[in-house]
Amino acid sequence: GAVVSQHPSWVICKSGTSVKIECRSLDFQATTMFWYRQFPKQSLMLMATSNEGSKATYEQGVEKDKFLINHASLTLSTLTVTSAHPEDSSFYICSARDPPDRDTEAFFGQGTRLTVV
Amino acid sequence: AQTVTQSQPEMSVQEAETVTLSCTYDTSESDYYLFWYKQPPSRQMILVIRQEAYKQQNATENRFSVNFQKAAKSFSLKISDSQLGDAAMYFCAYRGSTNNNAGNMLTFGGGTRLMVKP
Repeated sequence: GAVVSQHPSWVICKSGTSVKIECRSLDFQATTMFWYRQFPKQSLMLMATSNEGSKATYEQGVEKDKFLINHASLTLSTLTVTSAHPEDSSFYICSARDPPDRDTEAFFGQGTRLTVV
Repeated sequence: AQTVTQSQPEMSVQEAETVTLSCTYDTSESDYYLFWYKQPPSRQMILVIRQEAYKQQNATENRFSVNFQKAAKSFSLKISDSQLGDAAMYFCAYRGSTNNNAGNMLTFGGGTRLMVKP
């Protein structure tokens, strides 16, 4: 099946710095990718929808200037957490679906555990 | 907006027994997809089973089967012959059928933690 690769798996950064997370579709082209955030023992909450060649669509309450999304190619979307704070510490997961077949499933990256100290 | 509800935060089952996880959802659409995902301690999301709303027949994948009640908007997961490796978080998810952003996105339930006792 299709594979989505997310990098890094975990990262520790200092408060005030920025960190970039990559999401790649390895064997298919993904015009749309999704970024989720998961707090401990909670569900996945959609942060934004990343569209290749256009601006991302952010969910209500998600700061677009803090969580910068770039979908520059059909196989890569990046999420940059800018000026990170300890409350940004969380598990971030990306997913993509192989269009345009409406019946295809979504594939998930391995996730990135971000710790801001 | 669609919502997905899992009313059981935790469930426990004896190894080799059967357990059913509940899920209800709310939607105004007539065509959509429903999924159960497993998230083990590694936190990798794994698709367990899927159901197309236009299909009346309940989906089955080996030891996993669903009870899809469209009128009641219910989508429960039955795990038969439970194994220790089944212990994980299970998430029910909904996806609309239209091929735009809203139709592509998954809406997740709150999750059910399944514990399997040896």
